[in-house]
Amino acid sequence: EVQLVESGGGLVQPGGSLRLSCVASGFDFSSYYMTWVRQAPGKGLEWVANIKQDGSEKYYVDSVKGRFTISRDNAKNSLYLQMNSLRAEDTAIYSCARDGYYDKEEALDYWGQGTLVTVSS
Amino acid sequence: SFVLTQPPSVSVAPAKTARITCGADNIGSYTVHWYQQKPGQAPVLVVNDDSDRPSGIPERFSGSNSGNTATLTISEVEAGDEADYYCHVWDSLSDQGIFGGGTKLTVL
Repeated sequence: EVQLVESGGGLVQPGGSLRLSCVASGFDFSSYYMTWVRQAPGKGLEWVANIKQDGSEKYYVDSVKGRFTISRDNAKNSLYLQMNSLRAEDTAIYSCARDGYYDKEEALDYWGQGTLVTVSS
Repeated sequence: SFVLTQPPSVSVAPAKTARITCGADNIGSYTVHWYQQKPGQAPVLVVNDDSDRPSGIPERFSGSNSGNTATLTISEVEAGDEADYYCHVWDSLSDQGIFGGGTKLTVL
């Protein structure tokens, strides 16, 4: 059974940093692109970033470029999102999702339950 | 930037057909995926690659994509289909994923 479990969320002050983790199980993690998606309270889904199987390609939504860094450790079946210079508008539930086997245009076929990040003073 | 436009809400009576649209300039040249999200739950993929149905998704769910509109069609709607639905594409021009704003499906 495919499982994705996020952790690392919490309350952080504006300008602060947080590192999110996503541990995967039930599939060959190293064979898939992986994606982070966020959802602000009461709002829709927003694609945040994704990363190629070997970490050689990374893509970001414009609003987080230069502040967030996506990474992965295939030996640990883990995906990460380092978030710096956090803003109030980054407040959201952050979820990891399994992306494509062949390319980044494929669907997100498995999702974690997410971890809540609250940016507030 | 590339924007996917969905109606905020769609209402349908039980056993009828619901159609949820996702509009954008020349969306027919993109590959569209659809997700269902119920309150407090993670999204579930219901249609991938415009019209394919993942394993375990009822045949009542189908998709199409042409011109400037992609459509998720749910036939013989049930109360359990009440949820938010999102379309999703990869924009190769900006190298970013894009979600539509979401459509709340209400079963009357």
